[in-house]
Amino acid sequence: EAGVAQSPRYKIIEKRQSVAFWCNPISGHATLYWYQQILGQGPKLLIQFQNNGVVDDSQLPKDRFSAERLKGVDSTLKIQPAKLEDSAVYLCASSFGVLGGGPKETQYFGPGTRLLVL
Amino acid sequence: QQPVQSPQAVILREGEDAVINCSSSKALYSVHWYRQKHGEAPVFLMILLKGGEQKGHEKISASFNEKKQQSSLYLTASQLSYSGTYFCGTEISGGGADGLTFGKGTHLIIQP
Repeated sequence: EAGVAQSPRYKIIEKRQSVAFWCNPISGHATLYWYQQILGQGPKLLIQFQNNGVVDDSQLPKDRFSAERLKGVDSTLKIQPAKLEDSAVYLCASSFGVLGGGPKETQYFGPGTRLLVL
Repeated sequence: QQPVQSPQAVILREGEDAVINCSSSKALYSVHWYRQKHGEAPVFLMILLKGGEQKGHEKISASFNEKKQQSSLYLTASQLSYSGTYFCGTEISGGGADGLTFGKGTHLIIQP
């Protein structure tokens, strides 16, 4: 079974530039997450999708970050304009789980995109 | 709301045991444990559910004390492959409506 795919793996940009990350979840997984992991910290949830709808984006800096999952499969996370503090690893994860009263299903993480903002 | 993990780091000899703790200031619905090796994605280990149901890894065990709002991960007879950073992720309510909140991690180094 193929895992969660992400691209690019590495990206170096200058502050105020734009950048986009792509994620392809495990086939059949309805839920998709984007996390930001700053060096030495645990992953921080940015946004959660259920199919193509947003479930939680309370921690997404909406003045500069945007994300979409138009067809309920692939997702794109964009930063515009980037700041120095956006340097981090951006992890995409997916799970089979559906909403409805149970606990979060196991989340499977992709390899991440390492972003360096200069 | 971020759970607090302890210890921050631990160094063991191969074959020794380790306990990693995760505490929350809020009542928890579930606790998820992950291990991350340097430069790699986090890998799922274990989920602890309110009410006592448990799933997970055959060589690693965990407990979930709902009253104390804390979970502990037990690694017995540690192997070199256990080295990495362990994260707990907590879920406040069921239903999938809220995401996991991860702790800062516990760095585990296993020496031969």
